[in-house]
Amino acid sequence: GAGVSQSPRYKVAKRGQDVALRCDPISGHVSLFWYQQALGQGPEFLTYFQNEAQLDKSGLPSDRFFAERPEGSVSTLKIQRTQQEDSAVYLCASSLFGRTSGTSYEQYFGPGTRLTVT
Amino acid sequence: AQRVTQPEKLLSVFKGAPVELKCNYSYSGSPELFWYVQYSRQRLQLLLRHISRESIKGFTADLNKGETSFHLKKPFAQEEDSAMYYCALRANYGGSQGNLIFGKGTKLSVKP
Repeated sequence: GAGVSQSPRYKVAKRGQDVALRCDPISGHVSLFWYQQALGQGPEFLTYFQNEAQLDKSGLPSDRFFAERPEGSVSTLKIQRTQQEDSAVYLCASSLFGRTSGTSYEQYFGPGTRLTVT
Repeated sequence: AQRVTQPEKLLSVFKGAPVELKCNYSYSGSPELFWYVQYSRQRLQLLLRHISRESIKGFTADLNKGETSFHLKKPFAQEEDSAMYYCALRANYGGSQGNLIFGKGTKLSVKP
């Protein structure tokens, strides 16, 4: 079946522009995560959705970052007034379920969107 | 603080040699540990997890709670193992799914 897809794959924005990054999770997956991966670093958690509910946004670096998943499927990560430090690969991951009961559900990653702010 | 440390940015070995990618973690609880791999021009994918105690593509990893380590090992490296490897920790919060905390990654290069 289709995996997690993300669009666009590459985005170049001028400093100060707003951008919107899209994530299509695997159909039926309840949980959706956004991560930010700066050059030479591992992915870092941004925010987590269970269905349409945003249960954790502790990793969002500033109030310029906003994420939504209104119908519990597709998610959009929006960055307002982009800054050079926002340049990174933004990864989306989905997993089947959202609650732990001693059971781990694998997170499936998308290909990422590489954002370059000039 | 929860943290994953991969001390080596780059590890270069010859084909057929043993390989060990180091991972240490810091977490005051009972975490789940994972190894993810990213081959050239491919997406991040799960390689193995400690709770499964499985061997994937000849790789194994044992969770050592005393040393807080989860090193990835393979007795005989192959050229196709060349990739970026990330160790990750998933916090087991009660009643909620924890996000993954990644190390900075180790690039494994297997020379012919």
